[in-house]
Amino acid sequence: EIVLTQSPGTLSLSPGERVTLSCRASQSVRNNYLAWYQQTPGQAPRLLIYGASTRATGIPDRFSGSGSGTDFALTITRLETEDFAVYYCQQYVGPPHTFGQGTNLEIK
Amino acid sequence: EVQLVESGGGLVQPGGSLRLSCAASGFIFSSYWMHWVRQGPGKGLVWVSRIDSDGISTVYADSVKGRFTMSRDNGKNTLYLQMNSLRAEDTAVYYCARILPGIWSGYDYWGQGTLVTVSS
Repeated sequence: EIVLTQSPGTLSLSPGERVTLSCRASQSVRNNYLAWYQQTPGQAPRLLIYGASTRATGIPDRFSGSGSGTDFALTITRLETEDFAVYYCQQYVGPPHTFGQGTNLEIK
Repeated sequence: EVQLVESGGGLVQPGGSLRLSCAASGFIFSSYWMHWVRQGPGKGLVWVSRIDSDGISTVYADSVKGRFTMSRDNGKNTLYLQMNSLRAEDTAVYYCARILPGIWSGYDYWGQGTLVTVSS
C-alpha cells in the first residue's frame, strides 16, 4: 500500500499570497497517477488536478500540479477567498487508492 | 448533467446492516469504474472499495473486507454498498465517485454523500 504524507498539516495565509502544498509517497507512483482534491466544509471533494499536473475541467489556471515519482506539489498562485479549504492528494495506481491526511489552508 | 446521488444512510446499532445506493445519471454509467470513499467526523478521506464497469471485479480496503459488498446494476444505473457487521468506526459520510478506465483522470465526479452512524 502506498502511504501519502502531506505537509504542512495547516497553513495560515492571506488572500493574494502564493502557496505550495506538498505530498510525498512511500513508493513511486507509477504513471504519475496522482490527483489533488479540494474540500470545503459540508461539501464533497472536488477534483483539481489529475496525472500529477493536468488541471481538471473548469479549474482556474492559478492551480497547478507538479512532481513525479514520490514527490508532488500543488501550487496556488494569488489565493482567493474561495480557495481556503482542505486539500487532499490521492494516488490511484491500484487499489487501495490511498489519500493523504490533508492540508488545511486557512485565512490568516 | 452528471449526477451521483447517494441514499440509504442512517442510524444503525453495532452489528447491524445497512445498504447504501448511489443513483447515477447524465453519463454512460456502464463505462465507468465506481468507488466508495468515506470520511469519519472531522477526519480525512478514506478509500473503501472499487468495482469495475461490468461489476465482475471488486476490491476492498482491509478494514471492511469480509463485511462490505459492493455491487452495481447497470440497467438501473445504480451502485450499491451492502454493509454488514457494522462497527462504531464505520461511522462516516459515504461518498460514491467515478473514474473512467483507460483515461484514469481521477475521481472527476462525486456524490453529495450519505451519513452512516453506528451507535447503540
